[in-house]
Amino acid sequence: KNEVEQSPQNLTAQEGEFITINCSYSVGISALHWLQQHPGGGIVSLFMLSSGKKKHGRLIATINIQEKHSSLHITASHPRDSAVYICAVPPGGADGLTFGKGTHLIIQP
Amino acid sequence: NAGVMQNPRHLVRRRGQEARLRCSPMKGHSHVYWYRQLPEEGLKFMVYLQKENIIDESGMPKERFSAEFPKEGPSILRIQQVVRGDSAAYFCASSPRGGGASSGNTIYFGEGSWLTVV
Repeated sequence: KNEVEQSPQNLTAQEGEFITINCSYSVGISALHWLQQHPGGGIVSLFMLSSGKKKHGRLIATINIQEKHSSLHITASHPRDSAVYICAVPPGGADGLTFGKGTHLIIQP
Repeated sequence: NAGVMQNPRHLVRRRGQEARLRCSPMKGHSHVYWYRQLPEEGLKFMVYLQKENIIDESGMPKERFSAEFPKEGPSILRIQQVVRGDSAAYFCASSPRGGGASSGNTIYFGEGSWLTVV
């Protein structure tokens, strides 16, 4: 079973700050997902990555397969980035995803 | 909107009633996943289906819960004799290819169905 740890659990920052959210997992994987969930809302898939780095707008995701670690970065953060960010990996031996508990991010103007 | 469609978005049921949640995957997707998010908890995998087949139901409670994905129509998650502990958000996701989450397929989520049992 793959254990997923995210940090920090809660993060409050000022608009414009550089944000980093971390994710560690215990079992080697083929791909890792970063998801975004707004309060009371649905889930948006931000990234699916298996190596290196991906960038989409102000969001950057990196993964180190050897160290079983991934980071999600937000540059020039904005209040509309306020959401829960969730890391998810294949659980090993099953088909669904195993999710981290999420990082609650609040960006204050 | 060609995304994953879930309905109803909000459902209220009394204890003992049945709840049916529907999910229409993205066009061209034949692989559907159901996840549950209990209040103040993270998402948990429930079941993975392909058309007319249950591939992995390792996350489904043994009783009262069932899922199907018929040849025609949406996938249905059915909860019989609901209890207060079933109150949660239920998310459906779809992917275009098989192999489950381990295959590295991008997975697209629906907006979720919020079930409240009173």
